[in-house]
Amino acid sequence: EIVMTQSPATLSVSPGERATLSCRASQRLNFNLAWYQQKPGQAPRLLIYGASTRATGVPARFTGSGSGTEFTLTISSLQSEDFAVYYCQQYNIWPPLTFGGGTKVEIK
Amino acid sequence: EVQLVESGGALVQPGGSLRLSCAASGFTFTHYWINWVRQAPGKGLEWVAKINEAGSEADYVDSVRGRFTISRDNAKNSLSLQMNSLRAEDTAVYYCARAATVSTYYFDYWGQGTLVTVSS
Repeated sequence: EIVMTQSPATLSVSPGERATLSCRASQRLNFNLAWYQQKPGQAPRLLIYGASTRATGVPARFTGSGSGTEFTLTISSLQSEDFAVYYCQQYNIWPPLTFGGGTKVEIK
Repeated sequence: EVQLVESGGALVQPGGSLRLSCAASGFTFTHYWINWVRQAPGKGLEWVAKINEAGSEADYVDSVRGRFTISRDNAKNSLSLQMNSLRAEDTAVYYCARAATVSTYYFDYWGQGTLVTVSS
């Protein structure tokens, strides 16, 4: 099973600032990684797939990068609606499909 | 518009059974693998089960294998999860989620979830 580790667990950021979220895999993933955003009481929403491709309707301030075992989600200028929990998910070797533990982006 | 609508969540005693359903619309249901993903209260996401387009192939996370059964009715555009021998650790919101493709297995659409509580 591929273990996904996200850091930090919580990120405190002021509106307008940049946020950088990390996701590390226990094995190489090539580019088979997705990012999701989840707001309280809502289902997750797909943001990024293929490590760097934005899903339909996702603003350009969200950027995914990385390959192999190290991946990053960058939010260039945080808006109020971006404060949420973010999860990475690998789909290179499965089953099982595995998620990271999440990073909560909160208002500083 | 793609929609996945779960139902069937309830409070159930340990050792009991429950059947969840997911109604799909807005896309060609028979073209996609469909999954159940769960989230325990205050915790992260856990993939639970998947089923292929024809309903002939299914797989499960180890913790539910032998207790849960995923199935689909392509004539009704619906997905089910039969959960038996329920445990406290199965308490979670259960989401129905569509996989984009079998070779790029991320989840492009999710339902709103249904809450299962296992407690005496």
